[in-house]
Amino acid sequence: DIQMTQSPSSLSASVGDRVTITCRASQSISSHLNWYQQKSGKAPKLLIYTASNLQNGVPSRFSGSGSGTDFTLTINSLQPEDFATYYCQHSASFGPGTRVEIK
Amino acid sequence: EVQLVESGGGLVQPGGSLRLSCTASGFTFSDFWIHWVRQGPGKGLVWVSHIRSDGSGTAYADSVKGRFTVSRDNTKNTVFLQMDSLRAEDTAVYYCARDEGFSTPLGYWGQGALVTVSS
Repeated sequence: DIQMTQSPSSLSASVGDRVTITCRASQSISSHLNWYQQKSGKAPKLLIYTASNLQNGVPSRFSGSGSGTDFTLTINSLQPEDFATYYCQHSASFGPGTRVEIK
Repeated sequence: EVQLVESGGGLVQPGGSLRLSCTASGFTFSDFWIHWVRQGPGKGLVWVSHIRSDGSGTAYADSVKGRFTVSRDNTKNTVFLQMDSLRAEDTAVYYCARDEGFSTPLGYWGQGALVTVSS
């Protein structure tokens, strides 16, 4: 089974900051990688699919990149509503999550 | 509007059974695979199971294999998760989600159903 890891597990940032979250697969997964945002008590929301495609309705400050084993989610100019936990996913495997907190 | 609504959650004793339902609306239900994903208290997301659009194929996480059964009724736009021999570690919010296709992005999710396994 392919294992997904994320780093960091948590981070503190300020409004307006640029934030980068990394996801790594235990073996090559081509571009089959998706990113989700989850706020407390809510269902996850799809942000990015197939590594770099922005889901409809998601603000353009979110972007994804990578292929093979290493992937990145970038949030440009962090907004107050972006404080949440972010998960990567490949097929039946989710990463452990990255919590983005207010500094 | 695409909607997925879970129901059937609740409190059950260890060793007991529960059946969750996921009822869909706003799209052609029989065109889409459906997944179940769970989240324990304060924990991350864990994939549980999926079922193909026509019900011809299913898959399960090792942790639930042999205890959980997924099925669907496309005439009722509903997917079911039958959970037997429940354990304390099955306590979680269970979400159903629609598979959008290539690379398995889960584009629409239900609100979740809480299952608590406790004596």
